[in-house]
Amino acid sequence: GNSVTQMEGPVTLSEEAFLTINCTYTATGYPSLFWYVQYPGEGLQLLLKATKADDKGSNKGFEATYRKETTSFHLEKGSVQVSDSAVYFCALSDTGGFKTIFGAGTRLFVKA
Amino acid sequence: DTAVSQTPKYLVTQMGNDKSIKCEQNLGHDTMYWYKQDSKKFLKIMFSYNNKELIINETVPNRFSPKSPDKAHLNLHINSLELGDSAVYFCASSHGRTSYEQYFGPGTRLTVT
Repeated sequence: GNSVTQMEGPVTLSEEAFLTINCTYTATGYPSLFWYVQYPGEGLQLLLKATKADDKGSNKGFEATYRKETTSFHLEKGSVQVSDSAVYFCALSDTGGFKTIFGAGTRLFVKA
Repeated sequence: DTAVSQTPKYLVTQMGNDKSIKCEQNLGHDTMYWYKQDSKKFLKIMFSYNNKELIINETVPNRFSPKSPDKAHLNLHINSLELGDSAVYFCASSHGRTSYEQYFGPGTRLTVT
C-alpha cells in the first residue's frame, strides 16, 4: 500500500540556518504530494503541494520538488526563523483523492 | 468566518461516559474527515465522508460513530470512553475528487480520566 517516510526529529537549528527535512514515499500511480505544518496548539495547515513529477511547490520561503525517480519530496528552506518552529508533515493523496497518507511528522526547533 | 470549526476545543470526561464532538465547514467542500492525533503527533485517519456517504472507515472501534447530517457537518460520537481514547481529534475537509488538499479544524483535545 501507499506510505510516507520522513526523517525523525526533533531537528534543532539556529536562526538563519539551512533546513532540509527528508521525505520519501511509496505509491502506485501518480499521487499528489504535500507538506503540512502544525504550529503549537493548532490544526495542520497546507504549506505547499505538487501534483506531478518535477513540479516544485513553494510557499513562505519553503520549497519541495516532486522527484519521481527517487520517490522523494524533500522540504527545504534557505534561512529559518524562530517562527518556523513547528511540526512538519509530508503527505500523499492517491489518485482517488479521498485518502491522504501522512508521515509521522518532524518537529523543528529554531533557536534565536 | 472560520473555515473548519470544531466544538468543544477541550473535553475532559470520565471512563465509561459518552461524548460527542461537532464539526462544521463553510468551504462548500464535498469531503470531510476525522483524524486522531496521539501524543507523539502521529496522525491517523478514522473516517471519511463524501457527500454524506461513508467512504473510509479505518479499523476504529465501533464505539466511535460518525454522523453526517449534511455536507457541511460531520460529527463524532464516542460511547463508553476509555483511557486510550485520550488524544487530539481533528476534523478536516477537502473538495474531494477535484482537489486533494485538506483544511483542518483547530482540534478537540479529549482527556479521559
